[in-house]
Amino acid sequence: GDSVTQMEGPVTLSEEAFLTINCTYTATGYPSLFWYVQYPGEGLQLLLKATKADDKGSNKGFEATYRKETTSFHLEKGSVQVSDSAVYFCALIPNDYKLSFGAGTTVTVRA
Amino acid sequence: NAGVTQTPKFQVLKTGQSMTLQCAQDMNHNSMYWYRQDPGMGLRLIYYSASEGTTDKGEVPNGYNVSRLNKREFSLRLESAAPSQTSVYFCASSIEALYEAFFGQGTRLTVV
Repeated sequence: GDSVTQMEGPVTLSEEAFLTINCTYTATGYPSLFWYVQYPGEGLQLLLKATKADDKGSNKGFEATYRKETTSFHLEKGSVQVSDSAVYFCALIPNDYKLSFGAGTTVTVRA
Repeated sequence: NAGVTQTPKFQVLKTGQSMTLQCAQDMNHNSMYWYRQDPGMGLRLIYYSASEGTTDKGEVPNGYNVSRLNKREFSLRLESAAPSQTSVYFCASSIEALYEAFFGQGTRLTVV
């Protein structure tokens, strides 16, 4: 079935470093793609999304581009802050409409 | 702005006990979801409801039942709890399937 695979963590960075979290998907058709973020002790919240090929989602300095040719939706941020420490989930909505998540990547940013 | 409300927040059960996790949303959303979150496994879909009165199995439905009696509420029932069901459970909703999902704060369930 349709699924996403994201890079395993944990990832530890210094403040102002560049962050990339890789996400690739397997799907029939063209799913909508998402990045969700989970801060400690909270539920998930949408970070950004893209609904078709070549779309770029962006929010809070994070970006991800829907690449059909490489079936990827990598998350990037040019300069991370301590407040970006969280678990990041890549997700997709396939043809059966059941929102499906990757395993999550824990990111820790140190001052 | 309540959004998605889950109760209880914490629960400890003995093996074989039953319980119902409650979820309610006040955003007039059609789609609702139940997930479980386990270390290293991400979120796995237990059940999905596209609209009031309809439910569909997700990736890990065994040992669970759900009920979508009205548009607001989507409950998850464990009939006979097992230690393997120790997890954090999240309820979510979205206006329609292709739109942003909003999550509750989660229920941390321990089965001993």
